[in-house]
Amino acid sequence: GAVVSQHPSWVICKSGTSVKIECRSLDFQATTMFWYRQFPKQSLMLMATSNEGSKATYEQGVEKDKFLINHASLTLSTLTVTSAHPEDSSFYICSALHIPSGYNEQFFGPGTRLTVL
Amino acid sequence: RKEVEQDPGPFNVPEGATVAFNCTYSNSASQSFFWYRQDCRKEPKLLMSVYSSGNEDGRFTAQLNRASQYISLLIRDSKLSDSATYLCVVSGRRNQGGKLIFGQGTELSVKP
Repeated sequence: GAVVSQHPSWVICKSGTSVKIECRSLDFQATTMFWYRQFPKQSLMLMATSNEGSKATYEQGVEKDKFLINHASLTLSTLTVTSAHPEDSSFYICSALHIPSGYNEQFFGPGTRLTVL
Repeated sequence: RKEVEQDPGPFNVPEGATVAFNCTYSNSASQSFFWYRQDCRKEPKLLMSVYSSGNEDGRFTAQLNRASQYISLLIRDSKLSDSATYLCVVSGRRNQGGKLIFGQGTELSVKP
């Protein structure tokens, strides 16, 4: 149980295009999902908290108009990187909060590697 | 000061060795504690949740000292497959909605 999928697993795009990444909890409902970004040799940095049916909460320094988050159902959150630039190239990982485990554990998707040319 | 700090790595050990990772956290109101492992170019995977009484899972033992705000992970009889980066992770207060704070990770390399 507690499986999270992410799609696509990798994407290469031209500068200026928008890229949508999907995060799904496959066998549980997740009212809360999180989006992280990880640059090489660095730890995960939380970008935003995605809550089903309400606006996402963004961490300081993360532009909400650039990184659009939609959490329209209890099993799906999407992150859209708008007008992507080379500096947005990174490993984007989502996680879903698994409350039934009793310890508020988060389970991570396999990540999406974005390369902007 | 970082909210979660770990031993700087990397740790290079031979197979069969015992290795210990240490981690400290700054927020005394932190509620939940975890060790994750992350393989190169992969997502973090939950290794163990850390309970106040300490807990053991096979070759892995985790300890929590709330008074010292200190968490440890002990790996006994290390295997080649244990090579990974180990992340100490702390969750804030319940009203912070389960937000996780990650340490920078400690890289472990187990050699034959």
